[in-house]
Amino acid sequence: AQTVTQSQPEMSVQEAETVTLSCTYDTSESDYYLFWYKQPPSRQMILVIRQEAYKQQNATENRFSVNFQKAAKSFSLKISDSQLGDAAMYFCAYRSLQGGSEKLVFGKGTKLTVNP
Amino acid sequence: GAVVSQHPSWVICKSGTSVKIECRSLDFQATTMFWYRQFPKQSLMLMATSNEGSKATYEQGVEKDKFLINHASLTLSTLTVTSAHPEDSSFYICSARMSEKLFFGSGTQLSVL
Repeated sequence: AQTVTQSQPEMSVQEAETVTLSCTYDTSESDYYLFWYKQPPSRQMILVIRQEAYKQQNATENRFSVNFQKAAKSFSLKISDSQLGDAAMYFCAYRSLQGGSEKLVFGKGTKLTVNP
Repeated sequence: GAVVSQHPSWVICKSGTSVKIECRSLDFQATTMFWYRQFPKQSLMLMATSNEGSKATYEQGVEKDKFLINHASLTLSTLTVTSAHPEDSSFYICSARMSEKLFFGSGTQLSVL
């Protein structure tokens, strides 16, 4: 079974600075999706960014970018020019593409604090 | 982006009663929806996969007779917590797939007294 590990329970960053959240995963599959979701205090899960494993190019969405290292099974999220509204729980997630599975496996999350 | 509506946002009930939570995809059709449970300060745990027109697929350890799932249309899935007990108190979140993205409802906080 696939597992997702987020080794940083909490992180903090100064406003306007850059922060990187770590995520590693374990799988024997060659094709899959990886996601980062944000959960603010409202508890609404918001998709931040998505990466297809077959794509070598790292995904970017405005201030959010990933460093996808397939061989190392690493998928870190970089937030540039951090804003107060970025404060939230961040979850890394894995989705298999085999066997018709649509399950998302989540990591335990990283709580990001943004200091003014 | 796609919108998934979940109701109610919170519910308080007495032990032994049943509670129904609705999950609707407002602007797209979802043949598959997912129900998650989240304990305080923990991650989301998949409870079951809801398939339109067929039986739900439950994850190991989830009691299907206690957590009844119905997916009667392409835009609506319901989760009924039957004979609720205090240990069922939790945050329940649904999600629906559109293309390769999953969109989540706003969640339901269930408190069983």
